[in-house]
Amino acid sequence: DQQVKQNSPSLSVQEGRISILNCDYTNSMFDYFLWYKKYPAEGPTFLISISSIKDKNEDGRFTVFLNKSAKHLSLHIVPSQPGDSAVYFCAASVSRADSWGKLQFGAGTQVVVTP
Amino acid sequence: GAGVSQSPSNKVTEKGKDVELRCDPISGHTALYWYRQSLGQGLEFLIYFQGNSAPDKSGLPSDRFSAERTGGSVSTLTIQRTQQEDSAVYLCASSLGQSKQETQYFGPGTRLLVL
Repeated sequence: DQQVKQNSPSLSVQEGRISILNCDYTNSMFDYFLWYKKYPAEGPTFLISISSIKDKNEDGRFTVFLNKSAKHLSLHIVPSQPGDSAVYFCAASVSRADSWGKLQFGAGTQVVVTP
Repeated sequence: GAGVSQSPSNKVTEKGKDVELRCDPISGHTALYWYRQSLGQGLEFLIYFQGNSAPDKSGLPSDRFSAERTGGSVSTLTIQRTQQEDSAVYLCASSLGQSKQETQYFGPGTRLLVL
């Protein structure tokens, strides 16, 4: 049962433009969301997170938006750079004692930034 | 190094053999997690350790999989009688273990191929 879904397996964007990655979830108990970036042959690298008490979090070129009613979050990268080409994973967790720290991941979106 | 390290980086084994995968978490991190990523899939939670508490083994796919954490630091994931469907990248992560909403830092992974 896939509780976190990234329905776009790939995204191509021109350098300097905005990249928008989408993520949907089904479990209304999720209250913490993260985005990770992964290069080939490396482990995922943390990008940005958001708690369910917020609807937006910004860090430099990266902004995450959370729409709890739609069970949807998105990651905006502005402006996109060639080094942003990677696989991006959305992840979610439930902050209760018996589920402490267990992240549920989406399948990932491959982003390619073209010159 | 300051990051999570895993060994070996690659492992090829024959079906039916046992394998051991090692993870060294970031120094001072009390929480440690194992995930795996099968080809074309997102990361799948396997098990996590938090301090001296009993580990959460709810993600282990079968009783052929086990993990231990010695001295609250290094962890070993053991797969007995490996099967071809066990082929995947096995990723270890660690976190401070102080909050229910905190970043997990990943190692580079062990790529396991079962022939």
